[in-house]
Amino acid sequence: EPEVTQTPSHQVTQMGQEVILRCVPISNHLYFYWYRQILGQKVEFLVSFYNNEISEKSEIFDDQFSVERPDGSNFTLKIRSTKLEDSAMYFCASSEGQPSYEQYFGPGTRLTVT
Amino acid sequence: AQSVTQLGSHVSVSEGALVLLRCNYSSSVPPYLFWYVQYPNQGLQLLLKYTSAATLVKGINGFEAEFKKSETSFHLTKPSAHVSDAAEYFCAVTPGTNAGKSTFGDGTTLTVKP
Repeated sequence: EPEVTQTPSHQVTQMGQEVILRCVPISNHLYFYWYRQILGQKVEFLVSFYNNEISEKSEIFDDQFSVERPDGSNFTLKIRSTKLEDSAMYFCASSEGQPSYEQYFGPGTRLTVT
Repeated sequence: AQSVTQLGSHVSVSEGALVLLRCNYSSSVPPYLFWYVQYPNQGLQLLLKYTSAATLVKGINGFEAEFKKSETSFHLTKPSAHVSDAAEYFCAVTPGTNAGKSTFGDGTTLTVKP
């Protein structure tokens, strides 16, 4: 069964550094999402992306964050200048759209900012 | 708009006892509903899902859930708990008719006493 994949599984970075988290959605999917889970808390929506543009974003998704689909397969989340509070698990998800809007989640990338 | 409420942040049962984890939702469109399990420092594992077919859905590891529209509930049950079921459980709702975001509950920590 097709899966959403994410790399790396764990990223450690220093405060102020830029990080790029990568996701490969399921190949025929059209809608892409990033979610975040701070340790011990619930999963929170960050951003959704469709047709090469952001369709919705949360308050968390400020100017430090950006998303891109640089080619036909990857979907990336960039954090320009990481803060300690960006430490979290980041999940990518995708859905095909009509007729099924079910979102399939990747395994996550654990980001640790030191 | 949508929301999820998981009643009981902590549930403790004895091994062999019934597990009941409660989830109530609200959604302005027909929902898809999901239960995920998360073990410490790991990603989300899909237990089961309701996507508008059968209202009683069976998942992995002996879990099942029933979608009750009249009660706006999607409670998770397992007839006989095992110590390996100890984990964090999240209920989530996604719009079933558009590509909107998923919304997760706060989670329920299940403890299983030997």
